[in-house]
Amino acid sequence: GQQVMQIPQYQHVQEGEDFTTYCNSSTTLSNIQWYKQRPGGHPVFLIQLVKSGEVKKQKRLTFQFGEAKKNSSLHITATQTTDVGTYFCAGTYHTGNQFYFGTGTSLTVIP
Amino acid sequence: DAGVIQSPRHEVTEMGQEVTLRCKPISGHDYLFWYRQTMMRGLELLIYFNNNVPIDDSGMPEDRFSAKMPNASFSTLKIQPSEPRDSAVYFCASSSTRGRDWETQYFGPGTRLLVL
Repeated sequence: GQQVMQIPQYQHVQEGEDFTTYCNSSTTLSNIQWYKQRPGGHPVFLIQLVKSGEVKKQKRLTFQFGEAKKNSSLHITATQTTDVGTYFCAGTYHTGNQFYFGTGTSLTVIP
Repeated sequence: DAGVIQSPRHEVTEMGQEVTLRCKPISGHDYLFWYRQTMMRGLELLIYFNNNVPIDDSGMPEDRFSAKMPNASFSTLKIQPSEPRDSAVYFCASSSTRGRDWETQYFGPGTRLLVL
């Protein structure tokens, strides 16, 4: 079935280091979204990527959608303790249909 | 808008009891999703509705789980009878295929269910 894989599952970084999480699908995605969930909280939408090769930035966060629309990445530059949480990607294969969530990457930032 | 509202926020019950979780989606949203989150299995989609109609319930674990959406502003997820392995955080989310928030899923705060 359709599945979105996400790696790594866990990542510990020193404050100030960079962080990247990757999402992969075996089949072409229609679009992909990224969410952040703080410990004890609920997933909160960060961004949506739709176009092949698209790159979007939000301050220290950079989101990329692969040329083949089968993979995506989230890169955080110079992590801060406020970046702590689990980052999920969620891909859809058809507009208006369900999003398939990745397993998430739990980020710990060591002060 | 108050966002997606879920109740109760916490539920502790005994095995065999019926549990009903409630969700009020954001007004105007035409999609509603029920998710379950556990450490072992991550975030799982249980069922989703479009315009109050169930579209895909393939994620519902078994017949003990049922979900309804009688109108555009209310949905329930029922577990009867509940079992300890049902302990999890249950999220409701809603989205719209219209407007600038196209397909963005807004999650409720979740219901933390513990079945003893």
